[in-house]
Amino acid sequence: AQTVTQSQPEMSVQEAETVTLSCTYDTSESNYYLFWYKQPPSRQMILVIRQEAYKQQNATENRFSVNFQKAAKSFSLKISDSQLGDTAMYFCASSQGGSEKLVFGKGTKLTVNP
Amino acid sequence: KAGVTQTPRYLIKTRGQQVTLSCSPISGHRSVSWYQQTPGQGLQFLFEYFSETQRNKGNFPGRFSGRQFSNSRSEMNVSTLELGDSALYLCASSFGQGPYEQYFGPGTRLTVT
Repeated sequence: AQTVTQSQPEMSVQEAETVTLSCTYDTSESNYYLFWYKQPPSRQMILVIRQEAYKQQNATENRFSVNFQKAAKSFSLKISDSQLGDTAMYFCASSQGGSEKLVFGKGTKLTVNP
Repeated sequence: KAGVTQTPRYLIKTRGQQVTLSCSPISGHRSVSWYQQTPGQGLQFLFEYFSETQRNKGNFPGRFSGRQFSNSRSEMNVSTLELGDSALYLCASSFGQGPYEQYFGPGTRLTVT
């Protein structure tokens, strides 16, 4: 069974600074995918970034990047130049190859302060 | 392109009743997944449908069921509602040959009294 753990229930950062959200996972599968989803207050969940486990290169999307440490089963999200609009719940999730089923962590509530 | 829509957005039911929630995926998407979100348990996978077939099922009691129609729209049903079923029910759609990006709907907020 897959499990995803986010050890930081809440974090805060000042606008324009950098913040890193932690995530660890466990899976017995060799073909799996990792995701970070963002859920702003009262708004829909959206995908922030996606990483295929077979790719060694860390995924990046504009100000968002990941540090994927496969051996340590760690998948952290770095947000650079934080903006007020980044305030949201962030969920780390995993899925097995060929399946749409997502296993989510408990989430980290990120607040960006002006 | 229209996003994932869920109806109704809010629902109040009494313990023991049943409820049906609806999800219309993005045009062209064949996979619909359902999740339950609660403060205590977080996001939990309910089931996934692909081309009218249930492809995956989470660890929920048989009171939770779903189906998918030929136009990919999906419904989930909860019978004999319990107070603990109060939650935000999220639907997500994708092309279904991934896992690729899943697009989430706004959710249906179910309150059981």
